[in-house]
Amino acid sequence: EIVMTQSPATLSVSPGERATLSCRASQSDRNNLAWYQQKPGQAPRLLIYGASTRATGVPARFSGSGSGTEFTLTISSLQSEDFAVYYCHQYNHWPLTFGGGTKVEIK
Amino acid sequence: QVQLQESGPGLVKPSETLSLTCGVSGFSISSGYYWGWIRQPPGKGLEWIGSMYHSGSTYYNPSLTSRVTISADTSKNQFSLKLNSVTAADTAAYYCARGRVRDCTGGGCSQDVFDIWGQGTMVTVSS
Repeated sequence: EIVMTQSPATLSVSPGERATLSCRASQSDRNNLAWYQQKPGQAPRLLIYGASTRATGVPARFSGSGSGTEFTLTISSLQSEDFAVYYCHQYNHWPLTFGGGTKVEIK
Repeated sequence: QVQLQESGPGLVKPSETLSLTCGVSGFSISSGYYWGWIRQPPGKGLEWIGSMYHSGSTYYNPSLTSRVTISADTSKNQFSLKLNSVTAADTAAYYCARGRVRDCTGGGCSQDVFDIWGQGTMVTVSS
């Protein structure tokens, strides 16, 4: 099983600032890596797939990068609606696995 | 527009079977894609339960494989989750989702990202 480790667990950021979230895979993922955003009481929303491709309708301030075992989600200028929990997810190998999440909160 | 909607009991007794259905609109589940279930205990992260290819092949989380079954009813355009012998540890929000496909060969396709999710349904295991 590929273990996905996200850091930090909580990120305190002021609106307008840049946020950088990390995700590490225990094995190489061939870039079959996605990022989801989840707000309280809602289902996860797909933001990024293939490590760096934005899903339909996702604002350009969200970007994904990385390859192999190290991946990053960057939010260039945090808006009020971006405060949420973010999960990385590998879909390269069965069983599919998710990271533990990073909560982005208002500083 | 493709939409998924979970339905089923919100309360299940310990040792009984949890049964949920995911109704799909806007797309025929027999036409392609993977169809999966993911759960999230209160205040915790996401756990993949299993996925079913449109051809009927299934893949399950090894931690649950002895208790879980995913199946489809193409006549109703829906797929289902059954989890037996439940305990309080199975209390969670359960989501159904559509999985894209990739790396298709004559033998089938691998699952790609979950792109469309249902809104989720909370299931509590308690007597």
